[in-house]
Amino acid sequence: GENVEQHPSTLSVQEGDSAVIKCTYSDSASNYFPWYKQELGKGPQLIIDIRSNVGEKKDQRIAVTLNKTAKHFSLHITETQPEDSAVYFCAASADTDKLIFGTGTRLQVFP
Amino acid sequence: NAGVTQTPKFRILKIGQSMTLQCAQDMNHNYMYWYRQDPGMGLKLIYYSVGAGITDKGEVPNGYNVSRSTTEDFPLRLELAAPSQTSVYFCASRAPGHSSTPLHFGNGTRLTVT
Repeated sequence: GENVEQHPSTLSVQEGDSAVIKCTYSDSASNYFPWYKQELGKGPQLIIDIRSNVGEKKDQRIAVTLNKTAKHFSLHITETQPEDSAVYFCAASADTDKLIFGTGTRLQVFP
Repeated sequence: NAGVTQTPKFRILKIGQSMTLQCAQDMNHNYMYWYRQDPGMGLKLIYYSVGAGITDKGEVPNGYNVSRSTTEDFPLRLELAAPSQTSVYFCASRAPGHSSTPLHFGNGTRLTVT
């Protein structure tokens, strides 16, 4: 089955700097890669996703890149703000009913 | 429109006790899921359902049971609670169709088994 690895487990940045979180997946059939943000005491929420026929997708300060050959994808947050502090999860799916998550990255943005 | 509602928010169980974690959604979503979240381990899929009367195992189903008698409700049952089931449990749902429709999560149930 699919296995998703995520790095780093924690990331601290200064406000205004960029943050990058990386994930690798094992199943070459995977074709959908969402990113979820989890704030304290709440369930995860989708922030951006990408499908395998696209190499990059942007939404304001966040972007996701995908390298299908290397089987890895990354989340980029530019001009970080304190409210970006949260746990971020990557996930992968192969057009099945199941979404397999990475282990999460705790991002702290210091003012 | 409340989204995905989970009850209770917190629960402490003794070893061997049983309980049901409730999950309800009001978005008419066919697909529902149960995940558990352990520190540093991400979200692991326990069980999922693609519609009323249909359930299937996920990555870590042992020690749990589910049922799906209605579209709205997807309860998770622990029959003989064990310390290894101490975790935060999240229920999620999504609209039918392609697997890339987003998951909507509840706010979780924090369960401690002692």
